[in-house]
Amino acid sequence: AQSVTQLDSQVPVFEEAPVELRCNYSSSVSVYLFWYVQYPNQGLQLLLKYLSGSTLVKSINGFEAEFNKSQTSFHLRKPSVHISDTAEYFCAVSEDRGSTLGRLYFGRGTQLTVWP
Amino acid sequence: KAGVTQTPRYLIKTRGQQVTLSCSPISGHRSVSWYQQTPGQGLQFLFEYFSETQRNKGNFPGRFSGRQFSNSRSEMNVSTLELGDSALYLCASSTGSVWTEAFFGQGTRLTVV
Repeated sequence: AQSVTQLDSQVPVFEEAPVELRCNYSSSVSVYLFWYVQYPNQGLQLLLKYLSGSTLVKSINGFEAEFNKSQTSFHLRKPSVHISDTAEYFCAVSEDRGSTLGRLYFGRGTQLTVWP
Repeated sequence: KAGVTQTPRYLIKTRGQQVTLSCSPISGHRSVSWYQQTPGQGLQFLFEYFSETQRNKGNFPGRFSGRQFSNSRSEMNVSTLELGDSALYLCASSTGSVWTEAFFGQGTRLTVV
């Protein structure tokens, strides 16, 4: 089974500061990697994902994540956060099963709070 | 394009009762997965249905069951409810391909008293 560790349960930052949310996984097989965001009383929304190719993936709202196979990490970064980025962020892993989307293994989540 | 619809949004049940939750996926999506979210255990996979067949199952007791209908709508049932079953139950709808996005519903908040 896969295991996903999000090292920080809470990350408080001031608006316009950079932020990094850390994610490490353990797997003996090839994996796909995802970051999801959850706003209060909402479901999960996909932020970005790594399937193959370039190890740096970006979202449309300024977030990026880099897949590091040797360190089994997929950290999420944003150079300048906004108050609207306040939410809980989940890192997830699924086994590489070709084109089939397998079950997702989630980390425990990181609550990002952006202060004015 | 309509999103994933989960009903009901909120539910209060008594220990020992059973409950059925519903998920209507996005039109054209044949895969529906269910997840349980609790503060203590986080997000845990329950099961996945694809074209009416259970394709994958998590590590939950047999009290948790599900099914999928020919129109891809899915239901999950929990029998003999326990206090620990209180959680947000999320359903994810997808084509089943990793190359397309899986969309989550807003969830059903189940409280067992």
